[in-house]
Amino acid sequence: GQQVMQIPQYQHVQEGEDFTTYCNSSTTLSNIQWYKQRPGGHPVFLIQLVKSGEVKKQKRLTFQFGEAKKNSSLHITATQTTDVGTYFCAGGTNFGNEKLTFGTGTRLTIIP
Amino acid sequence: GAGVSQTPSNKVTEKGKYVELRCDPISGHTALYWYRQSLGQGPEFLIYFQGTGAADDSGLPNDRFFAVRPEGSVSTLKIQRTERGDSAVYLCASSRAVGVNTGELFFGEGSRLTVL
Repeated sequence: GQQVMQIPQYQHVQEGEDFTTYCNSSTTLSNIQWYKQRPGGHPVFLIQLVKSGEVKKQKRLTFQFGEAKKNSSLHITATQTTDVGTYFCAGGTNFGNEKLTFGTGTRLTIIP
Repeated sequence: GAGVSQTPSNKVTEKGKYVELRCDPISGHTALYWYRQSLGQGPEFLIYFQGTGAADDSGLPNDRFFAVRPEGSVSTLKIQRTERGDSAVYLCASSRAVGVNTGELFFGEGSRLTVL
């Protein structure tokens, strides 16, 4: 079945440093979504990417969908303590958001 | 309501018992999803409903798991003869519809199930 892997599993950064997490799917995706989960919380939607090579920005966050639609990345510039949490990518294969396969997640901690 | 509501928030049961977990989606959302999240893992798809019908139940691990959504709104996830391996947080999510442009899933806070 479809697998979605993320690296790194953990990332500790000094506040103000940049952070990147990478997501790789075993199959071609129709779309990819990114979610953030704070400790003890539930996943919260960040963004959806649909087009090959698509790049979207949200303030300090930059999301990219690979040309082959099998990988994606999330880059955070100048991390802040509010960025703490686990970041999950979630891939869909049926041109919709049904049956998303979530990645293994990257847990980000910030050293003040 | 303002968000997806799940009850109970915590459920402790004994091995072999029957459990029901309830999800009340955002009003007007036609699609409803159940995911399961074990500690340190990403959410794992179980089932999704489009309206009243289960459009895809391929993620249900075995026939001890069953979910219903009789009126196209509230859903109940039912687990029979619970096993210790069923312990996890069960997340419910809803979305406006299913399709490439519908985007985000709105997750509830989850129901933490512990099977002793």
